[in-house]
Amino acid sequence: DIQMTQSPSSLSASVGDRVTITCRASQNIRNYLNWYQQRPGKAPKLLIYAASSLESGVPSGFSGSGSGTDFTLTISSLQPEDFAIYFCQQTYNTPRTFGQGTKVEIK
Amino acid sequence: EVQLVESGGGLVKPGGSLRLSCAASGFTFGAFTINWVRQAPGEGLEWVSSISSSTNYIYYADSVRGRFTISRDNAQNSLFLQMDSLRAEDTAVYYCARERYSKEGHPFDYWGQGTLVTVSS
Repeated sequence: DIQMTQSPSSLSASVGDRVTITCRASQNIRNYLNWYQQRPGKAPKLLIYAASSLESGVPSGFSGSGSGTDFTLTISSLQPEDFAIYFCQQTYNTPRTFGQGTKVEIK
Repeated sequence: EVQLVESGGGLVKPGGSLRLSCAASGFTFGAFTINWVRQAPGEGLEWVSSISSSTNYIYYADSVRGRFTISRDNAQNSLFLQMDSLRAEDTAVYYCARERYSKEGHPFDYWGQGTLVTVSS
């Protein structure tokens, strides 16, 4: 199975800050990497697919980059509604493994 | 509007069984692979199982293989998860999620609201 490792596990930031979350795959997954946002009590929501493609309806402040084993999710200017947990996921093969999550908290 | 609605969760004793359902609407259900993903309380996301559009490809996580069975009824736009020999560690919110196929990967683009399964004596 492909292991997905996110860092950091949590971070504290202020509204307006630029935030970067990284995700590393245990083997080459090309660009088969997705990012999800999960607010408390809600289902995950797709933000970025294929490493860098912004899902329709997602604010342009979210961006993704990377290929192979190392990937990044960037929030250019943190908004109050962005405080949530973020998960990466590989869909290169099955099982479709997720990272452990990064909790973005208010400083 | 695409919608996925899970049902069937509840409290069950260890060793018991439960059958989850996922009702789909707003898209051509029979054209998509659908997944079950679970989330234990306070924990991360764990992929559980997937079934392809025509049921040719069915996969399970090691943690549930041999105990869970995924199925679908394309005529009824429904997905199912039969869960047998349940354990305490199966306690989680169970989500169904649509997998979008494209040359640029296979994201889970729509999720249901989830149904809670609690395994406890």
